[in-house]
Amino acid sequence: GDSVTQMEGPVTLSEEAFLTINCTYTATGYPSLFWYVQYPGEGLQLLLKATKADDKGSNKGFEATYRKETTSFHLEKGSVQVSDSAVYFCALRPGGAGSYQLTFGKGTKLSVIP
Amino acid sequence: DVKVTQSSRYLVKRTGEKVFLECVQDMDHENMFWYRQDPGLGLRLIYFSYDVKMKEKGDIPEGYSVSREKKERFSLILESASTNQTSMYLCASSFGSGSDNQPQHFGDGTRLSIL
Repeated sequence: GDSVTQMEGPVTLSEEAFLTINCTYTATGYPSLFWYVQYPGEGLQLLLKATKADDKGSNKGFEATYRKETTSFHLEKGSVQVSDSAVYFCALRPGGAGSYQLTFGKGTKLSVIP
Repeated sequence: DVKVTQSSRYLVKRTGEKVFLECVQDMDHENMFWYRQDPGLGLRLIYFSYDVKMKEKGDIPEGYSVSREKKERFSLILESASTNQTSMYLCASSFGSGSDNQPQHFGDGTRLSIL
């Protein structure tokens, strides 16, 4: 079945450091890929998405590129802030009509220190 | 703005009780979902519904049931609560067919403790 593997946390960075959170997936066909963020005490919010190979999703300074050849969707940010401290989830939705379920990775907790 | 509202942020119940978790969305979404979130396990799908009165089992349906009598409301029911159902429960919704690129929108979660 489909699966998502993301790097184990927690990740601790200093403010203005470069961030990479790795995400790889296993799926048949052409899934859509998502990054969600969960701030403390809140539900998940969509951060960015990509729906086909070589698409780049971006939002709030975060970017991720859909790489079909390496089945990856790594999250990057050039300069993190304390306010980026949260748990980040990579997710996929299978391609094809009627595929609504998301498969999530286990999440990566990011802590940014001043 | 998109809004998914879960009825309680925190809930404490006793073993054996019947527990209802309610979720309402105001976006006219066809699909609704219930997940539980546990440390080290991420999010796991319990049940989902793609239409009124329709339901499908997710990955971990045992011990749970759901009800969707109206499009905007999706209820999760713990028939006889047990301590291993202590968890964070998240509701989500999304558009249905013809909207494969649309994301799921989440509520803020209900932290349920079973004593």
